[in-house]
Amino acid sequence: DTGVSQDPRHKITKRGQNVTFRCDPISEHNRLYWYRQTLGQGPEFLTYFQNEAQLEKSRLLSDRFSAERPKGSFSTLEIQRTEQGDSAMYLCASSFTGNEQYFGPGTRLTVT
Amino acid sequence: GNSVTQMEGPVTLSEEAFLTINCTYTATGYPSLFWYVQYPGEGLQLLLKATKADDKGSNKGFEATYRKETTSFHLEKGSVQVSDSAVYFCALSDGTGANSKLTFGKGITLSVRP
Repeated sequence: DTGVSQDPRHKITKRGQNVTFRCDPISEHNRLYWYRQTLGQGPEFLTYFQNEAQLEKSRLLSDRFSAERPKGSFSTLEIQRTEQGDSAMYLCASSFTGNEQYFGPGTRLTVT
Repeated sequence: GNSVTQMEGPVTLSEEAFLTINCTYTATGYPSLFWYVQYPGEGLQLLLKATKADDKGSNKGFEATYRKETTSFHLEKGSVQVSDSAVYFCALSDGTGANSKLTFGKGITLSVRP
């Protein structure tokens, strides 16, 4: 088991472009979470999947954000028409039972 | 809603000093409480947890006790090492239903001098 992996680790994009991030959870983990972390702050919850079903979305997740988890395995987070305020570290976490979440290394997004 | 408040940082200590990092929370029901650590250049790692009142979580010499009466979960270590230098986050989860999303504090940076 290699832990939660995220790709890419870093992404620089120009304002207005679309970006997509991928998260591969620990195998057999049925729960997958996305968080966003800005400088000097703790991670903030964005959205959550149980298997392939997206069960909750934070108010932080504007209409420009969409997340999917086809087949209940890996997940993607897409940001359309990026804005400078989207610059942050995007974290993925997974869990199986209870609420002990394991985090990936994150994708650092910089919007210029 | 749920919230976590951590003491302001950063904190700088000499090696072998005693460490306390304060954390208080606001939550409905009976949350589970966590400390996560982020070492330089690495991802968040679970350091310890407690799932009910009066439970003590411990790992790597760190301890924290779930105090329901004071809604606190302070992190302590008797003798810090240079390798403990990292950012520490207190977090809670309501642990109810299918969604156990975490609510984090702002984090505090600990630097330990040799």
